[in-house]
Amino acid sequence: KNEVEQSPQNLTAQEGEFITINCSYSVGISALHWLQQHPGGGIVSLFMLSSGKKKHGRLIATINIQEKHSSLHITASHPRDSAVYICAPNSGGSNYKLTFGKGTLLTVNP
Amino acid sequence: DTEVTQTPKHLVMGMTNKKSLKCEQHMGHRAMYWYKQKAKKPPELMFVYSYEKLSINESVPSRFSPECPNSSLLNLHLHALQPEDSALYLCASSTVPNYGYTFGSGTRLTVV
Repeated sequence: KNEVEQSPQNLTAQEGEFITINCSYSVGISALHWLQQHPGGGIVSLFMLSSGKKKHGRLIATINIQEKHSSLHITASHPRDSAVYICAPNSGGSNYKLTFGKGTLLTVNP
Repeated sequence: DTEVTQTPKHLVMGMTNKKSLKCEQHMGHRAMYWYKQKAKKPPELMFVYSYEKLSINESVPSRFSPECPNSSLLNLHLHALQPEDSALYLCASSTVPNYGYTFGSGTRLTVV
């Protein structure tokens, strides 16, 4: 069983729509990262959170440690938001490994 | 400076060549990472350096040889690669332990 499950795997939206991507994980963690990768491009770290909620521009990330669940929301989506969004929890301590979800491919149409 | 800089951005090499990938950061991060990413797959961890010492080697073949000359620089030396080694190679750095990840934009490697 994959330790990190993301849903949906693919998401198509119209410009302006509210987007939600979900992430569930089975391991105990100290923090969780949300990452963005445009096709053929490098990875950008959007958020690192260990509790509660963070907001940056049109992006909001929430995490519920007890339920082992995190969500990434995009408000007023735009075609430039089209990318793969990856959830990556880490267990912290001396374990330097991130565990990556398979990613959600988001396409926002104009 | 809040970036991880990787050079070159693209590299084509033959199976008998020797080449190196370079990664640099000036954020004072003491952990640095090499990841390999195949198309439409999540990144796979290759190596971790912590305080300039190799702390994790994910059973990577010896044709990949990492080097961390100082706290700002991470190299990946390549020798006798195979076509299946063609991938996007990503460097990352973080504070210790494992917080505040910053990824580079990657080197697109093609082995011919």
